[in-house]
Amino acid sequence: DQQVKQNSPSLSVQEGRISILNCDYTNSMFDYFLWYKKYPAEGPTFLISISSIKDKNEDGRFTVFLNKSAKHLSLHIVPSQPGDSAVYFCAARSSGTYKYIFGTGTRLKVLA
Amino acid sequence: GAGVSQSPSNKVTEKGKDVELRCDPISGHTALYWYRQRLGQGLEFLIYFQGNSAPDKSGLPSDRFSAERTGESVSTLTIQRTQQEDSAVYLCASSLVGTEEGNIQYFGAGTRLSVL
Repeated sequence: DQQVKQNSPSLSVQEGRISILNCDYTNSMFDYFLWYKKYPAEGPTFLISISSIKDKNEDGRFTVFLNKSAKHLSLHIVPSQPGDSAVYFCAARSSGTYKYIFGTGTRLKVLA
Repeated sequence: GAGVSQSPSNKVTEKGKDVELRCDPISGHTALYWYRQRLGQGLEFLIYFQGNSAPDKSGLPSDRFSAERTGESVSTLTIQRTQQEDSAVYLCASSLVGTEEGNIQYFGAGTRLSVL
């Protein structure tokens, strides 16, 4: 049972436009969410997080939105840059644990 | 060290052999995680160590897999009698649990295991 789902395996966006990456989860006990970016042959690197007490968190070009009723979160990148081309993973954990469940990832390609 | 270090970076082995993968976490990080990423797949949780607590082994796929951690330092992931299905990138991460920062896991570059 995949508790964290990223239903779009890939996404292509023109440079300068908005990239929207989506993530859905099934466990209502999840209360903290992370986004990671991964380049080939490297480990994932932390991008942005959001707690379930918030519905939005912003850091520069990156904004994460959380819709608890829909069990859905999204990552917006504005404006998209070619260097943003990578695989993006969302991850979630339940209260009281630091064990994260990761989605399967979305490969973003930003076209110059 | 400055980051999470994993060794070897690549390992090619024959089916049936045992392998040991090593992870050096960031100094002072109390939590250590192992994940597996098969080709084209997401990160699959394997095991989680937190301080002196009993590790969460719920993600280990079979009894051929085991992991140890010495205190809050080095961890080794051992795969016995390797199978071709074990071929994957094995990623290690560490974090400083107990703070807001502790939600962030810092990953190593991984060990790419190929079982022939």
